[in-house]
Amino acid sequence: AQSVTQLDSQVPVFEEAPVELRCNYSSSVSVYLFWYVQYPNQGLQLLLKYLSGSTLVKGINGFEAEFNKSQTSFHLRKPSVHISDTAEYFCAVSPWGGSQGNLIFGKGTKLSVKP
Amino acid sequence: DADVTQTPRNRITKTGKRIMLECSQTKGHDRMYWYRQDPGLGLRLIYYSFDVKDINKGEISDGYSVSRQAQAKFSLSLESAIPNQTALYFCATSDPHSQETQYFGPGTRLLVL
Repeated sequence: AQSVTQLDSQVPVFEEAPVELRCNYSSSVSVYLFWYVQYPNQGLQLLLKYLSGSTLVKGINGFEAEFNKSQTSFHLRKPSVHISDTAEYFCAVSPWGGSQGNLIFGKGTKLSVKP
Repeated sequence: DADVTQTPRNRITKTGKRIMLECSQTKGHDRMYWYRQDPGLGLRLIYYSFDVKDINKGEISDGYSVSRQAQAKFSLSLESAIPNQTALYFCATSDPHSQETQYFGPGTRLLVL
């Protein structure tokens, strides 16, 4: 079985500051890793994903994440945030070749960017 | 036009009523999913379907049923709604050839009184 832990439920930050949203996972098999973003009153949108290869993954809106297999982490970063980045961010995993093919989500991190 | 649509977007119902939430997609994906989102709990899987003849229970299927009417349509029913089913419900689709990347609808906000 897989599980995902997002270490911070809320992250307040000032505009133009850097931000890191932390995600750790547990799995007995290899997994694909995802970050989704949910803007207020909207559905989830894929931000980036790690499938294989380079451990540094770049996504939309200037976000990037780094896969660390030894620490089973997939932290999301942005060097300079904007007000428009205010949203809830979800880390998720999907096991390779899983029969369900579904995503296991973390509980989310609310990023609040203040002017 | 949106690739994954959900109707209704908002619904208020009373305890004991039967309601149906509908999902349609134009992405041509075989796999479809229903999730519910509760504050502080993230998303939890209710049911999923890999094709029209394949329906599977997810983590929290009790009190729900689904129907896959066609490749493009996947409906979620609450046979007898109860207040703790008040939540935000999302439909999603995926293509197994794209490593399970899922595409989400805009959600249906359900309030059970």
